[in-house]
Amino acid sequence: AQSVAQPEDQVNVAEGNPLTVKCTYSVSGNPYLFWYVQYPNRGLQFLLKYITGDNLVKGSYGFEAEFNKSQTSFHLKKPSALVSDSALYFCAVTPYTGGGNKLTFGTGTQLKVEL
Amino acid sequence: SQTIHQWPATLVQPVGSPLSLECTVEGTSNPNLYWYRQAAGRGLQLLFYSVGIGQISSEVPQNLSASRPQDRQFILSSKKLLLSDSGFYLCAWGGSFTPSGTSTDTQYFGPGTRLTVL
Repeated sequence: AQSVAQPEDQVNVAEGNPLTVKCTYSVSGNPYLFWYVQYPNRGLQFLLKYITGDNLVKGSYGFEAEFNKSQTSFHLKKPSALVSDSALYFCAVTPYTGGGNKLTFGTGTQLKVEL
Repeated sequence: SQTIHQWPATLVQPVGSPLSLECTVEGTSNPNLYWYRQAAGRGLQLLFYSVGIGQISSEVPQNLSASRPQDRQFILSSKKLLLSDSGFYLCAWGGSFTPSGTSTDTQYFGPGTRLTVL
């Protein structure tokens, strides 16, 4: 069975500083990995995904994520954080084979960007 | 472009009452559809998914059921609500299954329904 771990419940960053939200995964076979963002009382918005190819994936709003197969990680990054980036971030995984497209989500990381 | 709708946006129901939440998708045909529940503002739990009309798979045994009467309509129901059914319910579309059971497609989420059972 697949699983996702987001080890930090909350990440605090000053505006203008780089941010990293961590994600590690466990899955049989090659993973499909996703990052979503959720603002209060809203649905999840898709940010980016890794399927295959370049390990550095660029997504919406200046976010990017780096796939590291040896460390089974898919950390979300942004070079310069904005206050408006403050939200709940979810990492998700589905296996390349055998699992259809049923996503398994992490428990989420609350990002707080302060002035 | 594709759009996903959910209603109602918020709902307060007494314990033991019935439930019907609706999700519709526009701008796509034969989507895969999903119902998730998010408790306490955190983790998402997949409740049901559907690959076609009348085809429902349940992920978690519970007090809820789902139906797909039309291609782009997905309904979540309960005959008698429990306190533990409170939560934020999210519908999603996408993630088409191939004949071999694999997919690379992204799931796109609706705005959600906040259900409070009192």
